Formats: sequence, C-alpha cells, structure tokens
Amino acid sequence: GAVVSQHPSRVICKSGTSVKIECRSLDFQATTMFWYRQFPKQSLMLMATSNEGSKATYEQGVEKDKFLINHASLTLSTLTVTSAHPEDSSFYICSARAEERFFANSYNEQFFGPGTRLTVL
Amino acid sequence: RKEVEQDPGPFNVPEGATVAFNCTYSNSASQSFFWYRQDCRKEPKLLMSVYSSGNEDGRFTAQLNRASQYISLLIRDSKLSDSATYLCVVNGLGRAGNMLTFGGGTRLMVKP
Repeated sequence: GAVVSQHPSRVICKSGTSVKIECRSLDFQATTMFWYRQFPKQSLMLMATSNEGSKATYEQGVEKDKFLINHASLTLSTLTVTSAHPEDSSFYICSARAEERFFANSYNEQFFGPGTRLTVL
Repeated sequence: RKEVEQDPGPFNVPEGATVAFNCTYSNSASQSFFWYRQDCRKEPKLLMSVYSSGNEDGRFTAQLNRASQYISLLIRDSKLSDSATYLCVVNGLGRAGNMLTFGGGTRLMVKP
C-alpha cells in the first residue's frame, strides 16, 4: 500500500510553454498533497500544500499564478508550471498524506511520488 | 539560519564502519522528527522516525535531544548499499498546517 505515482517522470520543453504534472495516490485517499521542488545539490523545498476541494496554500516566494495547483479529487493533484523558463528546471516531487482510516499508524506520514524532472530549454 | 541544518559531507567510509550524522533544528515547537534516505535522482524514502527515548532499527539508531534541538543517526556495519543522501526532516506547523521541513542532506559514500 501507500503508492504515489507521478506523471510524467521526465519532461523537456521550450521556454514559454506550460507543463502539467500529475500526482496520484494509487491505493489510498489523500486528504492533503504537497508539492516540493529540489534544485541540484539542494534539499527539497515545499512549494505548496493542497487540500481536496480547496485552494492551495503557497509558501512564501512561490508565485501562485505561475504554479497552478488543482486538487480535484482525493487521489489526484496537478501542478501546472505556466510559461516555463529555464530557471524553472528542477526536480518536482509530490507527496500525499493519507486519511487516518487508511493507515492508522501513518496518519502524519507523507508518501512521496517518484518525482518529475523538468528541463526547460 | 536554516531551519534544519546538516553537515553536507560527503562522508567516505569503508564497508563495516560505523558512521554518525548530526542535525540541528531551530523551531522548538517542532513536533516530530524523521530520517529519510534519498538516492541520486530519486524521491526521498522514510528510513525511520526519531523518538525522544531513542530508537533502533537493525543497524540504524536514531536519537533526539529536544533540549538541545539535536537529532542524530548512527549506522553500524555500513554496507555499500547504504551509500545515499540522508535527510533530517522535522514536522511542524506551517502555513497550511502540518508540514515537513527538510535539511540539506548528508551524503554518505561507503567504499569496498
């Protein structure tokens, strides 16, 4: 159990285009999903927290109009990088936190997706 | 000052060695603590939670000192497969409730 998938795993795009990344919890329902970004040789930085059916909460310094998050169901959240620029090239990782009834001992544990490597040319 | 600080390493050790990593955190209201392992170009995976009483999982021992806001991880009898980056992670309250804050990671390289 506790599998989170991300799609695509890798994307290369031209500057100015938009890229959508999907994050799915495959065998549990996630009340909350998180989006992180990791630049080379740096740690994961939280970009935003999304709860199903409500607007995402963005961390300081993250532009909500550039990084659009939609959490339409308890198993899917999407991150759209709009008008991507080379400086947006990074490793984007999502995680999902399960509802208590699914993993009683792991209520606060976040399960991470395999990440999406974005390269903007 | 970073919220979670770690020595980036790398720590280069021979197989069979014992190695210890340290981590300090700045938010005294932090609620729970973890060590994650991240392999190159992969997502982080939970290694173990860290409890005030200290806890052990096989060759891995984690300790927490809340007074000093200090967390440690000890790896005994290092294996080649232990080579990875170890992330100290702290759970606390953020803008949207519970959130994880990651340290910069400590890189371990175990050599034959």
